[in-house]
Amino acid sequence: EPEVTQTPSHQVTQMGQEVILRCVPISNHLYFYWYRQILGQKVEFLVSFYNNEISEKSEIFDDQFSVERPDGSNFTLKIRSTKLEDSAMYFCATGDIGSNQPQHFGDGTRLSIL
Amino acid sequence: QKEVEQNSGPLSVPEGAIASLNCTYSDRGSQSFFWYRQYSGKSPELIMSIYSNGDKEDGRFTAQLNKASQYVSLLIRDSQPSDSATYLCAVSRGFQKLVFGTGTRLLVSP
Repeated sequence: EPEVTQTPSHQVTQMGQEVILRCVPISNHLYFYWYRQILGQKVEFLVSFYNNEISEKSEIFDDQFSVERPDGSNFTLKIRSTKLEDSAMYFCATGDIGSNQPQHFGDGTRLSIL
Repeated sequence: QKEVEQNSGPLSVPEGAIASLNCTYSDRGSQSFFWYRQYSGKSPELIMSIYSNGDKEDGRFTAQLNKASQYVSLLIRDSQPSDSATYLCAVSRGFQKLVFGTGTRLLVSP
């Protein structure tokens, strides 16, 4: 069964550094999403991406964050000037065309800011 | 008012019993409703989707939707210890963002 692939599985970074989280979507999926889950809390939406542009973003997704599809396959989340509170699991999800298609999640990247 | 509400649990059931998980949502424009299972430290795994009022069955799982009451439920029949996990209710408007509840922790004892 096709799956969403995320790398790295675990990233440890010093506060203030930049990190890039990578996702390879399921090949025929057109909708891409990033979510995060702080330990012990619920899964929160960050941003959705369709047709090479952001379609929606949450209040969490401020100027510190950016997304892109640099090579038409990978989907990346960049976090600049990381803060301690950015420590969380970051999940990429993708969805097929069709308004009611479910989103499929990758295994996540555990981001630890020291 | 929380957008998606779930009882955090834990819900404890013996092996072989029926586990009943409930969820309410506030956005009447919601069109798609999902149940995800999340094991500790893992990513959400889709187990059921439902889009219209009524029941939808898939194996041991039955999802129920009542849009008038803004209520979604998941029944797990013949519960197994391997079903022990956190069950996340999520709703969306079509292909838009998923809004998750906090999840209900289910414990199935042998």
